[in-house]
Amino acid sequence: DAGVTQSPTHLIKTRGQHVTLRCSPISGHKSVSWYQQVLGQGPQFIFQYYEKEERGRGNFPDRFSARQFPNYSSELNVNALLLGDSALYLCASSWRRVTDTQYFGPGTRLTVL
Amino acid sequence: GQQLNQSPQSMFIQEGEDVSMNCTSSSIFNTWLWYKQDPGEGPVLLIALYKAGELTSNGRLTAQFGITRKDSFLNISASIPSDVGIYFCAGTFDTGNQFYFGTGTSLTVIP
Repeated sequence: DAGVTQSPTHLIKTRGQHVTLRCSPISGHKSVSWYQQVLGQGPQFIFQYYEKEERGRGNFPDRFSARQFPNYSSELNVNALLLGDSALYLCASSWRRVTDTQYFGPGTRLTVL
Repeated sequence: GQQLNQSPQSMFIQEGEDVSMNCTSSSIFNTWLWYKQDPGEGPVLLIALYKAGELTSNGRLTAQFGITRKDSFLNISASIPSDVGIYFCAGTFDTGNQFYFGTGTSLTVIP
């Protein structure tokens, strides 16, 4: 079975632009969580979705939004990009509850110039 | 938010040595996870712990869920060069809506 997949692998944007990142969970998993990982730090929680509903939100501004589709895949959107948004964005899938064991994808490396 | 402190921050060891690292929380957790991350890649799950006092092994790796439920430990026996990477702990409680991650332990194995 395929693991968690994310696209694109790398992305370069300029300040003020908008970006959409995509994630497909492990087959059978219904929950997706998004994390931001800045170089040298641990992942920071952004959102968690289960059954297409937002179940949790971390301390991130409203420029960050997400959604989950009927096939349980998910998108993370970031508007009005800032230099500080440069990071590795990770998607994790879990079977059901947010507290079920999470499995990570390879991440999307976003660079904002 | 919850603070998870990992120690040590970095380790430089000789191949074949054993490694110990730990993670402490300011809150009681019901689940502890340990991950290994290589540069530029996503974290890979090593061990999951669900019960206070639980001791679980995965090959040369052994992790324990502390009895206070505020800490967890990871040991690696007979280290090899491919053990190089950053090790993260993560924890959550049943009513939580997220996993909280530690600051990471960077492991370097010298052949």
